[in-house]
Amino acid sequence: AQSVTQLGSHVSVSEGALVLLRCNYSSSVPPYLFWYVQYPNQGLQLLLKYTTGATLVKGINGFEAEFKKSETSFHLTKPSAHMSDAAEYFCAVSDFPNQFYFGTGTSLTVIP
Amino acid sequence: NAGVTQTPKFRVLKTGQSMTLLCAQDMNHEYMYWYRQDPGMGLRLIHYSVGEGTTAKGEVPDGYNVSRLKKQNFLLGLESAAPSQTSVYFCASSYQGEAQYFGPGTRLTVL
Repeated sequence: AQSVTQLGSHVSVSEGALVLLRCNYSSSVPPYLFWYVQYPNQGLQLLLKYTTGATLVKGINGFEAEFKKSETSFHLTKPSAHMSDAAEYFCAVSDFPNQFYFGTGTSLTVIP
Repeated sequence: NAGVTQTPKFRVLKTGQSMTLLCAQDMNHEYMYWYRQDPGMGLRLIHYSVGEGTTAKGEVPDGYNVSRLKKQNFLLGLESAAPSQTSVYFCASSYQGEAQYFGPGTRLTVL
């Protein structure tokens, strides 16, 4: 089975600062990789995904992530944090075709 | 296009009671999933289905049953609810290994 590790259950950044949320996975073959965002009392919403092709993936709300096979990482970044980015973020791995594995989540706080 | 919907949104049960959670999707996805979300534990897969009439166990299946009689619906049943099943339950659907689309969740409290 796959495993997904999100370093830092809580991350705080100042408004306008760089957002970096870390995700590492265990896999012997290139998986599908995803980042989801969850706002309070809501379901998970897809931010971005990597399946094949370009390793730098752009998503919604200005987020992007880079797949680094050698580091088995898929870190999420955003150049400038907004207050509206405060939420829970989940990294997920799919080993196609049917199993998804989620990290335990990182709660992002944006300080005005 | 409603995406993934879940019924009900909230429910309070007494220990030993039974209930069924309904998930419906209108995206013609083959794959459907039930997760539970607990603080500090992320999402844990309960059961999943890769097509109409098929189901399989996930990471935490004990105490739950599922059925997929129609492609668009995936039901999660609790035969005898226990306080340990107090959680937020999410349904999701996907096209094979592509991204999952989640419903809004059901908050279940078992007293």
